[in-house]
Amino acid sequence: IAGITQAPTSQILAAGRRMTLRCTQDMRHNAMYWYRQDLGLGLRLIHYSNTAGTTGKGEVPDGYSVSRANTDDFPLTLASAVPSQTSVYFCASSVRGGEQPQHFGDGTRLSIL
Amino acid sequence: SQQGEEDPQALSIQEGENATMNCSYKTSINNLQWYRQNSGRGLVHLILIRSNEREKHSGRLRVTLDTSKKSSSLLITASRAADTASYFCATDEGGAQKLVFGQGTRLTINP
Repeated sequence: IAGITQAPTSQILAAGRRMTLRCTQDMRHNAMYWYRQDLGLGLRLIHYSNTAGTTGKGEVPDGYSVSRANTDDFPLTLASAVPSQTSVYFCASSVRGGEQPQHFGDGTRLSIL
Repeated sequence: SQQGEEDPQALSIQEGENATMNCSYKTSINNLQWYRQNSGRGLVHLILIRSNEREKHSGRLRVTLDTSKKSSSLLITASRAADTASYFCATDEGGAQKLVFGQGTRLTINP
């Protein structure tokens, strides 16, 4: 079934550790996104990529990095996790940015202790 | 920064009734989208309305857009228990190729 796969589905991590959240899509979409969802704050954009080889910063990029080496994969890395990064992380993709519907994965629930 | 603001934050109705959720935004947009999120799942796209459209229908969903008031509404008719979910509006920031989501309306349909 075509869609977005995120891994892991959940993770408990010690503060200070490095963590990479994986995201793969098989729809050949050009644009991909990473959001975090926190209670009372909705979804906030962390980083995005309009096409392979390019990335951009969203609303809350500090403490996170991304890469887009190919069309299908868009990993999100926490270089040194802090408790405030405890959240649910969603990866999404769209044919193009902005005017196109986004397709979401089912999220990674990350707890930083 | 939150572009879309949903109202109400939570809504509880009886099965079969209609549910109306509202979204307001601050800057000019090219389009506005509505998404649904079931508990523990990712968001699912419902409908997109462009800035030159005033109303759009999809099954039991009806979306209106009033660009003069910078607001949109989502109407779900003849609600079902399966409609229980959170609903989010999202706008593009004046063609910035990114979506900005509101905080959502949590809809509960009571059998």
